[in-house]
Amino acid sequence: NAGVMQNPRHLVRRRGQEARLRCSPMKGHSHVYWYRQLPEEGLKFMVYLQKENIIDESGMPKERFSAEFPKEGPSILRIQQVVRGDSAAYFCASSVLSGVGQETQYFGPGTRLLVL
Amino acid sequence: QKEVEQNSGPLSVPEGAIASLNCTYSDRGSQSFFWYRQYSGKSPELIMFIYSNGDKEDGRFTAQLNKASQYVSLLIRDSQPSDSATYLCALRGDSSYKLIFGSGTRLLVRP
Repeated sequence: NAGVMQNPRHLVRRRGQEARLRCSPMKGHSHVYWYRQLPEEGLKFMVYLQKENIIDESGMPKERFSAEFPKEGPSILRIQQVVRGDSAAYFCASSVLSGVGQETQYFGPGTRLLVL
Repeated sequence: QKEVEQNSGPLSVPEGAIASLNCTYSDRGSQSFFWYRQYSGKSPELIMFIYSNGDKEDGRFTAQLNKASQYVSLLIRDSQPSDSATYLCALRGDSSYKLIFGSGTRLLVRP
């Protein structure tokens, strides 16, 4: 039973380029969460999506960042015109239900983004 | 004040000892508490979760929750060098889905 899958595992971009990060949730999971981890810090919530719906994007920067979870295919976190401060590890998590209460979120291996 | 506070460490213990990791939080509405282990360069791995006051044991791990004092702790008995990692405390409110993480405590278990 495959876990949460993310690709690419490492991504190098130059300032001003676009970064696309992909996440496939665990089988049977329809709820996806994106978190960002800066060096030596804890994870920070970015966005919560269900199929074809953004439920909460309160943790996403207002500009340059967007996320989607289409009916078919993986969830995508897109960062336009990347800057050095975007360099971080981006983790995707998934859950069976809505993630409230006792529901557990399972994390993928992450994508390490480095902006040169 | 941060929502979730952890001592960054490192906490150094000899092999076989008990490692005690602590976490305090500010939101009294927090209902669910999680401990994740993260090895360097890897993703967080769920160790334990606890929802009720008191202790919860799973193998060498014991989670302790005290909602009145707003702290949660993780005890690791018979610590092994393979336990050396960063331990992240996370919490969630009753009607919330997003996890709020502390910055983690680095644990070093000396052989």
